[in-house]
Amino acid sequence: GAVVSQHPSWVICKSGTSVKIECRSLDFQATTMFWYRQFPKQSLMLMATSNEGSKATYEQGVEKDKFLINHASLTLSTLTVTSAHPEDSSFYICSAPGGQAGGPKNIQYFGAGTRLSVL
Amino acid sequence: AQSVTQLGSHVSVSEGALVLLRCNYSSSVPPYLFWYVQYPNQGLQLLLKYTTGATLVKGINGFEAEFKKSETSFHLTKPSAHMSDAAEYFCAVSDSSYKLIFGSGTRLLVRP
Repeated sequence: GAVVSQHPSWVICKSGTSVKIECRSLDFQATTMFWYRQFPKQSLMLMATSNEGSKATYEQGVEKDKFLINHASLTLSTLTVTSAHPEDSSFYICSAPGGQAGGPKNIQYFGAGTRLSVL
Repeated sequence: AQSVTQLGSHVSVSEGALVLLRCNYSSSVPPYLFWYVQYPNQGLQLLLKYTTGATLVKGINGFEAEFKKSETSFHLTKPSAHMSDAAEYFCAVSDSSYKLIFGSGTRLLVRP
């Protein structure tokens, strides 16, 4: 089946630094990817839609300058948390719809997530 | 706007007992409905989905769900719980934009 790889799986950083998280579709192309944030014992909240070759679409309340998204190729989207602070500590998960060519776009394939801890 | 409500943040069953996880949705358009399972510190795995057609949907690991439009529900069931079923379960809805809106999740505990 379709595989989405997310890297790193865990990152610890100092307050004020920036962290980049990568999301790759390994065996299919994804013109769209989604980024979610999950706080402990809570649900996933959609942060933004990453669009290959164009600007990301952010959900209401998500700071564009804080969470930079770049979708430079059909298999890679990156989320950069800029000037991270302890309140940014969370579990970030990406997903990509569709899978193999011709696969239904309404099925999302998820990365394993990245746990960010900001000290 | 779409939304999902999962009743019960925690459900505890005995091994071998019936599993019932409740999900109600709100959508102004015909919805796509999903159940995902999440194990600790991992991403989400699709259990089953409803898009169109048959309202009783069978998924992996013996789970199934029934889409009831009149009740706006999509409850997840499994006849006999196994210890390995212990995890967090999320119901989700989407429309043609493919953005997923998740419920708050239900943690399933399975007692030996």
